[in-house]
Amino acid sequence: EPEVTQTPSHQVTQMGQEVILRCVPISNHLYFYWYRQILGQKVEFLVSFYNNEISEKSEIFDDQFSVERPDGSNFTLKIRSTKLEDSAMYFCASKARKGSYEQYFGPGTRLTVT
Amino acid sequence: DQQVKQNSPSLSVQEGRISILNCDYTNSMFDYFLWYKKYPAEGPTFLISISSIKDKNEDGRFTVFLNKSAKHLSLHIVPSQPGDSAVYFCAASGNNFNKFYFGSGTKLNVKP
Repeated sequence: EPEVTQTPSHQVTQMGQEVILRCVPISNHLYFYWYRQILGQKVEFLVSFYNNEISEKSEIFDDQFSVERPDGSNFTLKIRSTKLEDSAMYFCASKARKGSYEQYFGPGTRLTVT
Repeated sequence: DQQVKQNSPSLSVQEGRISILNCDYTNSMFDYFLWYKKYPAEGPTFLISISSIKDKNEDGRFTVFLNKSAKHLSLHIVPSQPGDSAVYFCAASGNNFNKFYFGSGTKLNVKP
């Protein structure tokens, strides 16, 4: 069964450093998302992406964040200068088509900023 | 931004009994509501959904009820099984599906 994969599973970085979180969505999916979950809190929407551009983003997704689909298979989330409060579990998700609401989530990347 | 709320952080149920997980929302523009199940160290997995034109959707042991006037939905699991023990998230979206709002989750423990 196709699945969304994410690498690395755990990333530790120092405050102020750049990190890139990687996701490989399901191959025929067209819509891509990033979410985060701070420990013990709700899953928060960050950004949605379609046709090589951002469809919608939340207020969390400020200038420090960017997304890219560099090669038609990977979908990346970059945080330019990490802060302590960026420590969270980051989930990538994809869905097949416009009218579909079912998103398939990856296992997540745990980001720890020290 | 508490548009979707799950007020019960945890629920414990005996195997074979009914589990009822609740979710409230504030935005009347939401058109679709979804339930996700999440095991530790895994991403959320889609479980069941309901659109705003319905008040009930059933899939096997899982039934979701929607009360639009009360802006409330619930997930019923019957009979509950130990393998159902997980965190359950309620989520909502408008009809463009560009953005999904999640609740904070309810941790269900089904005791054998």
